[in-house]
Amino acid sequence: GAVVSQHPSRVICKSGTSVKIECRSLDFQATTMFWYRQFPKQSLMLMATSNEGSKATYEQGVEKDKFLINHASLTLSTLTVTSAHPEDSSFYICSARDYSLNTEAFFGQGTRLTVV
Amino acid sequence: RKEVEQDPGPFNVPEGATVAFNCTYSNSASQSFFWYRQDCRKEPKLLMSVYSSGNEDGRFTAQLNRASQYISLLIRDSKLSDSATYLCVVSFNTGFQKLVFGTGTRLLVSP
Repeated sequence: GAVVSQHPSRVICKSGTSVKIECRSLDFQATTMFWYRQFPKQSLMLMATSNEGSKATYEQGVEKDKFLINHASLTLSTLTVTSAHPEDSSFYICSARDYSLNTEAFFGQGTRLTVV
Repeated sequence: RKEVEQDPGPFNVPEGATVAFNCTYSNSASQSFFWYRQDCRKEPKLLMSVYSSGNEDGRFTAQLNRASQYISLLIRDSKLSDSATYLCVVSFNTGFQKLVFGTGTRLLVSP
């Protein structure tokens, strides 16, 4: 099946710093990528939807200036958590699909972010 | 009210048992339905799609009742490896078809 690679799998950073998470589709063109966040014992919550070459669409309550999303190519989307705070510590997961081919959504392995 | 609701469990069952999970969704415009499996600290993986006529994949059977906005998953002959969290997921066939996840039901299968 299709593969989505997410990097890094785990990161620890200091409060106030920024962290970039990459999500790559390895064998298909991801016209649409979704970024989710999952807190312990909670469900995946969609943060934003990004389409190649256009601005991301953020879900209600998600600060677009804090969670910067770039989807510059059909195989790469990045999420940058700016000025990270301990409450941003979470499991971040990307998902990608080829909208034009109506494929299912494939998930990256996730990034566990810890802000200290 | 949450868009997708599930009993969080955990469901503790012995090997070989049959276990059923239920899920309700609030948005009648939901068009596509899925069960995902998520292991601890891992990404979710698609277990099966759910069709109106009901569908079966080996030991797993999924049912959809659109009138009641209710989805179910039945696991027969439980294996130790079935221990995981099962996520009920709905999608709308509009826009970019984002997936809406339930909180998940945790299953623990013991020897």
